Amino acid sequence: EAGVAQSPRYKIIEKRQSVAFWCNPISGHATLYWYQQILGQGPKLLIQFQNNGVVDDSQLPKDRFSAERLKGVDSTLKIQPAKLEDSAVYLCASSNRTGELFSYEQYFGPGTRLTVT
Amino acid sequence: SQQGEEDPQALSIQEGENATMNCSYKTSINNLQWYRQNSGRGLVHLILIRSNEREKHSGRLRVTLDTSKKSSSLLITASRAADTASYFCATVNTGFQKLVFGTGTRLLVSP
Repeated sequence: EAGVAQSPRYKIIEKRQSVAFWCNPISGHATLYWYQQILGQGPKLLIQFQNNGVVDDSQLPKDRFSAERLKGVDSTLKIQPAKLEDSAVYLCASSNRTGELFSYEQYFGPGTRLTVT
Repeated sequence: SQQGEEDPQALSIQEGENATMNCSYKTSINNLQWYRQNSGRGLVHLILIRSNEREKHSGRLRVTLDTSKKSSSLLITASRAADTASYFCATVNTGFQKLVFGTGTRLLVSP
């Protein structure tokens, strides 16, 4: 089974520029997540999709970040304009709820390391 | 916001020794999960323990959960150099359908 794919793996941009990240989840996984992981910290959830609908975007800085999941499969996360503090690894994950109690086991992609200069 | 706090922040041991990492959290949980992250890579799910469970095993991993103390521990027995990574606990809070990660423990296993 193919894992979660992300691209690009690395990106360097200047502040105020825009950038987009792409994620392809595991086939059949209805739930997709974008996380931001700042160096030395744990991942922080930015947005969660269930199929192509947004479940939780409470921690997404909506003035500069946007995300979409067209057709309930691939997803893109965009930052426009970028700030220095956006330098981080952006992780995509997917999951498939199973069982009586949701397991919430998530499968992560390799991430995109963004450096804003 | 971070829910869990791992302790210690960093741990350095020799191959063959056991490694114990602790996680404390603040609110009621549905389940608690442990993930491993190798340098520059994504996270890998290790084990999940539900709030009504007290102990769980998977290979060389042993996880305990004490909901009265709001804490969990991850024990890696007979560690190997390949276990070198950061380990994160993550909780699924009661009523909230998402994972909240802790700050992580960096484990270094020397040959």
